[in-house]
Amino acid sequence: QVQLQESGPGLVKPSQTLSLSCTVYGRGSLSSSSYYWTWIRQPAGKGLEWIGRIYNAGIVYYNPSLKSRATLSMDMAQNRFSLNLTSVTAADTAVYYCASGDFDIWGQGTLVAVSS
Amino acid sequence: QTVVTQEPSLTVSPGGTVTLTCASSTGAVTSHYYANWFQQIPGQAPRPLIYSTSNRHIWTPDRFAGSLVGGKAALTLSGAQSEDEADYYCLLYFASSQGVFGGGTKLTVL
Repeated sequence: QVQLQESGPGLVKPSQTLSLSCTVYGRGSLSSSSYYWTWIRQPAGKGLEWIGRIYNAGIVYYNPSLKSRATLSMDMAQNRFSLNLTSVTAADTAVYYCASGDFDIWGQGTLVAVSS
Repeated sequence: QTVVTQEPSLTVSPGGTVTLTCASSTGAVTSHYYANWFQQIPGQAPRPLIYSTSNRHIWTPDRFAGSLVGGKAALTLSGAQSEDEADYYCLLYFASSQGVFGGGTKLTVL
């Protein structure tokens, strides 16, 4: 059974870059488990926000509200996909989730706080 | 900026039926928006219920049904149970690419 696990620092300083990875574990590889992968986040006490989606073919779509600060990428050899978010502020503090395809598989979520 | 609108809160009686809706600021929602619905119980991760407008995930109880109603995506809960009390979020895709979540509906079973 395929599982996803987010990883990355839990604390990032303002103006720096938030970097998270989502590794695919279990039966199957990144390319065989799904056609596309999504990042979502949720600030404490608030709603869900769609960050972006990356296809195995390398096509990427982003939430325009992130104003080009987000970059999604894939590393097939490492069986993982990643999120970089530059110039972070306190508003980027949230639980970040990765998910596969039609959201049938999710990571457990990872809390990232932006603070000096 | 595209906005997706949901009812802030709804109440349903145990055993009753309720419909949550999901509207787009750009106009009528069609099947090409591939509406998704998620349930979130406070303190827990979101759980996907519906994808591509009306398809249930294997774990989704059949009392939940997704559809299009009056130019909106809709999630109908028939035979509400106390365990269905949660926040519900819809997600629409615009130009089949960019996703936008609604603000969520707090459903009370009372």
